[in-house]
Amino acid sequence: EAGVAQSPRYKIIEKRQSVAFWCNPISGHATLYWYQQILGQGPKLLIQFQNNGVVDDSQLPKDRFSAERLKGVDSTLKIQPAKLEDSAVYLCASSFTSGTHEQFFGPGTRLTVL
Amino acid sequence: AQSVTQLDSQVPVFEEAPVELRCNYSSSVSVYLFWYVQYPNQGLQLLLKYLSGSTLVKGINGFEAEFNKSQTSFHLRKPSVHISDTAEYFCAVSDGYSSASKIIFGSGTRLSIRP
Repeated sequence: EAGVAQSPRYKIIEKRQSVAFWCNPISGHATLYWYQQILGQGPKLLIQFQNNGVVDDSQLPKDRFSAERLKGVDSTLKIQPAKLEDSAVYLCASSFTSGTHEQFFGPGTRLTVL
Repeated sequence: AQSVTQLDSQVPVFEEAPVELRCNYSSSVSVYLFWYVQYPNQGLQLLLKYLSGSTLVKGINGFEAEFNKSQTSFHLRKPSVHISDTAEYFCAVSDGYSSASKIIFGSGTRLSIRP
């Protein structure tokens, strides 16, 4: 079974530029999560999708971050414009159903904002 | 509100020695507890989970954890570690199984194994 795929693995941009990350969840997984993991901290949930609907985006900085999951499969997370404090690893995870069913994580995208 | 505290940011141990990684949680409702492992440059992988039943939970790679409700703890243990156990370990808590439930992660404990 293929795991959660993410691209790119690494991205370096300058502040005020825009960037987009892509995630393809495990086939059949209805729930998709985007997390931000700042160095030295645990992952923090940014947004959770159930199929193509948003379940929770309470911690997403909506003035600069946006995410979509068209057709309920893969998803993109965008930052526009980026700030220095956005430097982090962005993790995508998926699960068969929502709630506390096991989440499967992708390898992450390491973003560096200069 | 839920929270998780991992008391040690780094734990160095010698190979084949036992290890305990400490985790305390706070929650006003029933809890579901997890330990995840993150190897360098990889995503998180579930080690074990406590949902209900026996308070001693066994996971992959020889790890186990004990749920202690009175002490609000969920410490992770392994009787003999290997070099390959070098990784970051995250304790996490969730309050339920509904679509509104989400997992709150601790800040992580970096386990380094010395030969």
